[in-house]
Amino acid sequence: DTEVTQTPKHLVMGMTNKKSLKCEQHMGHRAMYWYKQKAKKPPELMFVYSYEKLSINESVPSRFSPECPNSSLLNLHLHALQPEDSALYLCASSPRFEGKTQYFGPGTRLLVL
Amino acid sequence: AQSVTQLGSHVSVSEGALVLLRCNYSSSVPPYLFWYVQYPNQGLQLLLKYTSAATLVKGINGFEAEFKKSETSFHLTKPSAHMSDAAEYFCAVSPGNQFYFGTGTSLTVIP
Repeated sequence: DTEVTQTPKHLVMGMTNKKSLKCEQHMGHRAMYWYKQKAKKPPELMFVYSYEKLSINESVPSRFSPECPNSSLLNLHLHALQPEDSALYLCASSPRFEGKTQYFGPGTRLLVL
Repeated sequence: AQSVTQLGSHVSVSEGALVLLRCNYSSSVPPYLFWYVQYPNQGLQLLLKYTSAATLVKGINGFEAEFKKSETSFHLTKPSAHMSDAAEYFCAVSPGNQFYFGTGTSLTVIP
């Protein structure tokens, strides 16, 4: 089973809302990633968790707050977003952090009004 | 610095024709190399990966890629394009604990 699941598939939120994106994998992977992807562009790395600890934060604004409650679950909490934050948010996991294959979820399409 | 260059942001081929998508990398150490495909409104799906075993790597959906160290290339090919191959293709390199994507190539298949 090489599946990474993400919920919700689509999300529309206002600039004052608080919402969360959820990512789950049951492959025993110990590294999990959040990416942001704009149309016709490659994914941009936001955060990396390795063994449930935040390893990389690519200078992401504080209105994005990641959380890794356990080795299978990764959340991205959203608060006070801007319209330019509208994008496809992708979660990925890999067996470990360091050059290993990343498996991607289907993404959450976010629209900020 | 590590980077990936995909030549040609748009490639069009006729159905049944050869598909060739180009990827060149720069890396100071032997890297892991990947090709991913992304269909509209979906996530990235792994097509194939090179991890220093065989230089010719076979992937899913009839795709394959050849690692050429002397040319620092990892081009993706498929002998005969199918309409369902129309998608965005990303090359990626992972020389260590980072993952670098190319800018992507949009493949159009003409019936």
